[in-house]
Amino acid sequence: SYELTQPPSVSVSPGQTARITCSGDALPKKYPYWYQQKSGQAPVLVIYEDSKRPSGIPERFSGSSSGTMATLTISGAQVEDEADYYCYSTDSSGNHRGVFGGGTKLTVL
Amino acid sequence: QVQLVESGGGLVKPGGSLRLSCAASGFTFSDYYMSWIRQAPGKGLEWVSYISSSGSTIYYADSVKGRFTISRDNAKNSLYLQMNSLRAEDTAVYYCARLFPLGPDYWGQGTLVTVSS
Repeated sequence: SYELTQPPSVSVSPGQTARITCSGDALPKKYPYWYQQKSGQAPVLVIYEDSKRPSGIPERFSGSSSGTMATLTISGAQVEDEADYYCYSTDSSGNHRGVFGGGTKLTVL
Repeated sequence: QVQLVESGGGLVKPGGSLRLSCAASGFTFSDYYMSWIRQAPGKGLEWVSYISSSGSTIYYADSVKGRFTISRDNAKNSLYLQMNSLRAEDTAVYYCARLFPLGPDYWGQGTLVTVSS
């Protein structure tokens, strides 16, 4: 089955740039989405279709891809950005079955 | 504004059944694919199923295929998940989500399903 691989944790100091990666064989053909989930809350979409930012999401959140690797970048991370982040894509079989990465815990302190 | 409100969760014994509902508002429900996604306690997100806008196309994760059935009623702006033959490993918060275009953009707050004897 198709898998997306994320690092379990990333840690930065406030104001630094945080980069969270997501690797998967289908990513060159399937645009990734990124979600932020704070403790006890539902996930929130922060990046869709690789690099697009929904309205209301701060400009410090950006997305990019190269080959089989997608990256969520938080430029000038804030304490309030501390959360779990998940990448999402669909598999390459054409049936659009969804798959999530295992999640990355971002610590900002 | 877009709102998705899940209901129907609760405690059920192994082998039992439960039907989840998701009431949608703030958008034209019949224009969108919809999905169910779950999260076991302390674990990551797991895609469960999706249904096309008309209901004609449906896919399931292998972990629930043959036990769960997704459906929708566009006249009632509602999404459903019928869960049969429930197992302990189905214990999770279940979220309904709108798909745009192929990924979830709006999520409900979730409903907790606990499978335990």
